[in-house]
Amino acid sequence: NAGVTQTPKFRILKIGQSMTLQCTQDMNHNYMYWYRQDPGMGLKLIYYSVGAGITDKGEVPNGYNVSRSTTEDFPLRLELAAPSQTSVYFCASSSTGKGTQYFGPGTRLLVL
Amino acid sequence: GENVEQHPSTLSVQEGDSAVIKCTYSDSASNYFPWYKQELGKRPQLIIDIRSNVGEKKDQRIAVTLNKTAKHFSLHITETQPEDSAVYFCAASTVIGGSTLGRLYFGRGTQLTVWP
Repeated sequence: NAGVTQTPKFRILKIGQSMTLQCTQDMNHNYMYWYRQDPGMGLKLIYYSVGAGITDKGEVPNGYNVSRSTTEDFPLRLELAAPSQTSVYFCASSSTGKGTQYFGPGTRLLVL
Repeated sequence: GENVEQHPSTLSVQEGDSAVIKCTYSDSASNYFPWYKQELGKRPQLIIDIRSNVGEKKDQRIAVTLNKTAKHFSLHITETQPEDSAVYFCAASTVIGGSTLGRLYFGRGTQLTVWP
């Protein structure tokens, strides 16, 4: 049972490039989340999903898109990367809406 | 939406002393309050949580208290050890539109340093 996995671990993007951050969980959790964590700051919710085919915006969705075609996968798409998107991105999942959230190891993104 | 404030932002204690981190929240509908520990370069991990039907919960050296009337909850760590050094985040969960969507609102974190 690997839990929540994320790829890549680290990526450097040039301004204007696009990329997809991958997130997979093998716990059969319905709820999945994407957060970003800026240096010295807390976690801000980007997007979340309550099940396959259902997604909704969090606090800071601008510049990102998500899809949820399966229970296991919840990719985060960055279009036209900007320096303001330099951050550490964490994916998380939980079995219920108010249950424990399990975090992936994070993806460190640098936009130059 | 919910607003969670956390204090202090940094906390230094001597090994063996106690540490207390406090959080306040704004939405009276919130009824789930987890605490996460994040070691340097690692992912956040749940260490303890409390629901609104209890006022206190303990797990060995860690305890959390909740005052729903005052809308604040606190993390207490006793007999601190150097390995307790980390960033601690509080969070609150709120109901949106009648649905339990499970969104967590996080405080900004407390950097706890335990000196040997």
